[in-house]
Amino acid sequence: DTGVSQDPRHKITKRGQNVTFRCDPISEHNRLYWYRQTLGQGPEFLTYFQNEAQLEKSRLLSDRFSAERPKGSFSTLEIQRTEQGDSAMYLCASSPGGIRNYGYTFGSGTRLTVV
Amino acid sequence: AQTVTQSQPEMSVQEAETVTLSCTYDTSENNYYLFWYKQPPSRQMILVIRQEAYKQQNATENRFSVNFQKAAKSFSLKISDSQLGDTAMYFCAFAEIVSGGSNYKLTFGKGTLLTVNP
Repeated sequence: DTGVSQDPRHKITKRGQNVTFRCDPISEHNRLYWYRQTLGQGPEFLTYFQNEAQLEKSRLLSDRFSAERPKGSFSTLEIQRTEQGDSAMYLCASSPGGIRNYGYTFGSGTRLTVV
Repeated sequence: AQTVTQSQPEMSVQEAETVTLSCTYDTSENNYYLFWYKQPPSRQMILVIRQEAYKQQNATENRFSVNFQKAAKSFSLKISDSQLGDTAMYFCAFAEIVSGGSNYKLTFGKGTLLTVNP
């Protein structure tokens, strides 16, 4: 296993288009998290899954955003009707358990540019 | 809601010297975890070190150590014998426990860009 994989690495889209990102966590990790990082800021929490259940969503996640994790494996994050304010790095992370495990493992991120 | 403040947007240090990055946080929780993450240019975020709030002993990982002052809500990172490969953005993060204690989410500061000069 080579860590957390995210695809694509870069995405340029026109305003109003829909985009979908994929995250493949480390295989034995049952927790999966999505964060968004804008320029000059630290990552901000979006949502997380324990197995296939989506347990919490940030208020940052508007109705245009949806995330899924079918079968508790990979996850997808879809943004509908993209806006320029959606331009950011979208980070995925996974962990094998709760707080007593040694932190998250992050992927390299998907950089979205909305033009 | 928890907040994390990193007051140094940028810092630089000469190779082999020691540098300290500052972080303060605000919380009403008594039991929590704090982390430092490193994000090299165009590369993924890597965990550097973590501290459990109920432990008085400061965490240490090789050249990296923290100075955790719980009463002052301060969590600084000291890097000893700085190396060129330490050049990166460093983020301080507070772990908020959710879902009955079995999961957590991180609140990050804005980061400190550290440059190690040869």
